[in-house]
Amino acid sequence: AQSVTQLGSHVSVSEGALVLLRCNYSSSVPPYLFWYVQYPNQGLQLLLKYTSAATLVKGINGFEAEFKKSETSFHLTKPSAHMSDAAEYFCAVNFRQAGTALIFGKGTTLSVSS
Amino acid sequence: KAGVTQTPRYLIKTRGQQVTLSCSPISGHRSVSWYQQTPGQGLQFLFEYFSETQRNKGNFPGRFSGRQFSNSRSEMNVSTLELGDSALYLCASSPRASVGETQYFGPGTRLLVL
Repeated sequence: AQSVTQLGSHVSVSEGALVLLRCNYSSSVPPYLFWYVQYPNQGLQLLLKYTSAATLVKGINGFEAEFKKSETSFHLTKPSAHMSDAAEYFCAVNFRQAGTALIFGKGTTLSVSS
Repeated sequence: KAGVTQTPRYLIKTRGQQVTLSCSPISGHRSVSWYQQTPGQGLQFLFEYFSETQRNKGNFPGRFSGRQFSNSRSEMNVSTLELGDSALYLCASSPRASVGETQYFGPGTRLLVL
């Protein structure tokens, strides 16, 4: 079955440290991949999207993600965490065989300490 | 451009009642999708509308229904509310109903069923 897995429901980092949020998908055909961020009591904001044009995708707020087909992964990184990055992050996948529906991972809550 | 708007933002209902939620997409967007977000099940796809037609449907009971109007605005209705319907309902719009399209989310309607 097609699925999305985010490893680690909670990630804690210090301000200035590297942020790494993991996302793996299961599909024999590379899907479209997205990262969204959700701040408390708000909707989802698009961080970045993979469309097969380039394996390294740069998004907003200094975030980037690398698509690795051999590992079926699309991990999100940011070189230096800021306090304002504290939020919940969702990896979402649009499997080509499933129409336009986004399948979401369970989310990872990022905490940033000073 | 104004973003996706959803009304109302908060709603309290009792079991057995019905509720209607409204979504206005980004100007020029013709596809509207609905998602349910709960702590237990996470983000789940409800349905998608394009050109007033339901194009895709998730695995939800028939109590959940929707429609889209000629101006692309959409409503979703939940009849015979159950306690488990308490959730954040998110609407997302995209220019077209194509696989891989970026979906832009509204702030959501938080529904509490007592």
